[in-house]
Amino acid sequence: GENVEQHPSTLSVQEGDSAVIKCTYSDSASNYFPWYKQELGKRPQLIIDIRSNVGEKKDQRIAVTLNKTAKHFSLHITETQPEDSAVYFCAASRDGGYQKVTFGTGTKLQVIP
Amino acid sequence: GAVVSQHPSRVICKSGTSVKIECRSLDFQATTMFWYRQFPKKSLMLMATSNEGSKATYEQGVEKDKFLINHASLTLSTLTVTSAHPEDSSFYICSASVPQGRDTQYFGPGTRLTVL
Repeated sequence: GENVEQHPSTLSVQEGDSAVIKCTYSDSASNYFPWYKQELGKRPQLIIDIRSNVGEKKDQRIAVTLNKTAKHFSLHITETQPEDSAVYFCAASRDGGYQKVTFGTGTKLQVIP
Repeated sequence: GAVVSQHPSRVICKSGTSVKIECRSLDFQATTMFWYRQFPKKSLMLMATSNEGSKATYEQGVEKDKFLINHASLTLSTLTVTSAHPEDSSFYICSASVPQGRDTQYFGPGTRLTVL
């Protein structure tokens, strides 16, 4: 089955700096890669996603890049703000997000004011 | 947007009892619902996938007889933790997806189960 690895497990940045979280996946058939933000005790919220036919996608301060050949994808958050502090999960799916999704291990991001 | 609810949000029960958790899609029909388990400071682990009107597909290592899943309608799936033990204490989250063409899974708010 699919295996998704995520690094780093914790990340502290100063407010205004950028944060980068990296993930690798094992199943070359995976074609959908969502990123979720989860605050303590809350549900995961989709923040951005990318399909395998696209190399990069951006939404305001958030961007995701995908390298299909190397089977890795990354989340980039620019101009970080304290409210960006949360746990971020990458995920991968071979059938689009409407089917089984395998989550990464999570990154706890702390933005220091 | 699509809304998924879960009930109850928190439950405390005695060891040996059974607990039922409901997952509802409020404004859309969910072809498929997923049940996840999340330990503190850990990732979401998929327990099972349920499709309306058919038996759930369980992930390896998940006991079918302990975690009973029923998906009786396109808007409701239930997870029953039978004969609960303290090690079953966890955060259980469901998600629901719409038919092919839309990628996103929509997550419920989760249920915190504590077994004494």
